[in-house]
Amino acid sequence: LAKTTQPISMDSYEGQEVNITCSHNNIATNDYITWYQQFPSQGPRFIIQGYKTKVTNEVASLFIPADRKSSTLSLPRVSLSDTAVYYCLVGDTGRRALTFGSGTRLQVQP
Amino acid sequence: AAGVIQSPRHLIKEKRETATLKCYPIPRHDTVYWYQQGPGQDPQFLISFYEKMQSDKGSIPDRFSAQQFSDYHSELNMSSLELGDSALYFCASSGSQGANTEAFFGQGTRLTVV
Repeated sequence: LAKTTQPISMDSYEGQEVNITCSHNNIATNDYITWYQQFPSQGPRFIIQGYKTKVTNEVASLFIPADRKSSTLSLPRVSLSDTAVYYCLVGDTGRRALTFGSGTRLQVQP
Repeated sequence: AAGVIQSPRHLIKEKRETATLKCYPIPRHDTVYWYQQGPGQDPQFLISFYEKMQSDKGSIPDRFSAQQFSDYHSELNMSSLELGDSALYFCASSGSQGANTEAFFGQGTRLTVV
């Protein structure tokens, strides 16, 4: 089971771009990388998923280098409402167990 | 669009009592996950089901059991409740690609054991 490592916390200001990097040195060939966002007392919410290179959707971008041992979630122009915990998950192919590690607590200041 | 429905939203039980949490996945989703999240902690995987069969087990105590029914809804049964069982319990559902696909989480059931 691939383990992930993220910074415990990050601070930013409104309007800035935020990049959160996740390490997953033991990622398996078939594993995807998925990021979730969680607000207090709410269930985690899917942000973005990728396998390699770059993926972009309406809320974020995900950068994955060729060796896939890390990934970076990029949030453009954050707002106060982006204050949340962000989790990087690596799908364990063949299992149905989304394992949450220690997420990154992002605090956006005005 | 239909989301994952959990009931009840709040539950208060006394020590040593039993609790049953229910989860109704998104239609046509065949995988259900259960998570426990204590105050200030990260979600902990408990158990999952695929096509009504238990798929994977995480840190689920022996006092807990779960099953998925023919209509795909799932129930988490918790017996001999302890104070430490007080937590948010989330259910999630996903399509057939398991851990490599997007999972949708419910709003959770807040269990308080007194």
